[in-house]
Amino acid sequence: AQKVTQAQTEISVVEKEDVTLDCVYETRDTTYYLFWYKQPPSGELVFLIRRNSFDEQNEISGRYSWNFQKSTSSFNFTITASQVVDSAVYFCALSLSGSARQLTFGSGTQLTVLP
Amino acid sequence: SQTIHQWPATLVQPVGSPLSLECTVEGTSNPNLYWYRQAAGRGLQLLFYSVGIGQISSEVPQNLSASRPQDRQFILSSKKLLLSDSGFYLCAWRPGTGGGQPQHFGDGTRLSIL
Repeated sequence: AQKVTQAQTEISVVEKEDVTLDCVYETRDTTYYLFWYKQPPSGELVFLIRRNSFDEQNEISGRYSWNFQKSTSSFNFTITASQVVDSAVYFCALSLSGSARQLTFGSGTQLTVLP
Repeated sequence: SQTIHQWPATLVQPVGSPLSLECTVEGTSNPNLYWYRQAAGRGLQLLFYSVGIGQISSEVPQNLSASRPQDRQFILSSKKLLLSDSGFYLCAWRPGTGGGQPQHFGDGTRLSIL
């Protein structure tokens, strides 16, 4: 069975600091997909990024960047120059290649950015 | 573009009462549909998923049931609510085909059981 671990329960930073959210996953499948979602205080889950297991290229999107390393089974998320609007719960998730493609979520990291 | 609608946004129900939460998706055909529950403490638990009309898979045994009467409609029900059914319920969809397509979530229903 697959598993996603987000060891950081809560992180608090001051605005403009960089912050990295850790995600470690476990699966025996060779084909899988990794995701990050953001859940602001309003509650909806917002999709941020997807990575497949064959693509270890890191990605940058504005202030967001993602570091995927199969050797350590990690898919970490960095926010550069954090802003108050980045305050949210962030979830890492794993999906296999089966027909229903259920998501296995980590427990989430509450990020608070202080002004 | 595709959109997902979930209602009601909030619901307060007494213990023992029935429940019906509805979710509909627009702008796509034959989506995979999902119901999640998020209890206090943030973890997301998959309750049910469906890959087609009338096809429901349950991930955890519980007091709830799901149905998919139409291609883009997913309903979460209970005949008798328990206190432990309180939580934040999220519906999600993804395309039925395509390996790594992400799930997209509705705005959720906050359910309080009194």
